[in-house]
Amino acid sequence: DARVTQTPRHKVTEMGQEVTMRCQPILGHNTVFWYRQTMMQGLELLAYFRNRAPLDDSGMPKDRFSAEMPDATLATLKIQPSEPRDSAVYFCASRYTGVLDQPQHFGDGTRLSIL
Amino acid sequence: AQKITQTQPGMFVQEKEAVTLDCTYDTSDQSYGLFWYKQPSSGEMIFLIYQGSYDEQNATEGRYSLNFQKARKSANLVISASQLGDSAMYFCAIIPLNTNAGKSTFGDGTTLTVKP
Repeated sequence: DARVTQTPRHKVTEMGQEVTMRCQPILGHNTVFWYRQTMMQGLELLAYFRNRAPLDDSGMPKDRFSAEMPDATLATLKIQPSEPRDSAVYFCASRYTGVLDQPQHFGDGTRLSIL
Repeated sequence: AQKITQTQPGMFVQEKEAVTLDCTYDTSDQSYGLFWYKQPSSGEMIFLIYQGSYDEQNATEGRYSLNFQKARKSANLVISASQLGDSAMYFCAIIPLNTNAGKSTFGDGTTLTVKP
């Protein structure tokens, strides 16, 4: 089965360090989403891309977060500098937009802990 | 703008019984899709079932069915013959169709516990 692949699965680092999370969407999917999940806030949409172009990043703290799609097979989410409040599970999801009944498929997430 | 409301933070069901998880939505889009996802304690998000606003019949996938009532703006998930492995968090989500936006909105989730 085709899967969304996220790396790393787990990341523990100290406050102030740069964190880079990577996502390989399912081949052929043209829309990629980044979500953050915490107990307090639930599932939040941070940013999403269509055909590699950013469509909405209003959910992302602009001063420290950045999201890019260098090519169709790679999406990245960076935090610099990281803070303890960034500790969460970060999910990437992808779908094909253009066929009506395509669901989003999620990766397994990156569990991020900032000490 | 879109909104998903899941009013049941937690639900309990006896093994082998059926359970309904509620989901109501609000949207200004004429065409939209509704999804349900399962998140077990291991953390992954698993797609369960989809219903398009244009579908006249309720979606079914194995033991999962979606009770779609468009006029009431509800899309409840029905799980028949519950199993212990169904214990998880369940999320309802909506996405606009026929638009370049394609931004999905998720509810806060319902935690389902299946009792033996």
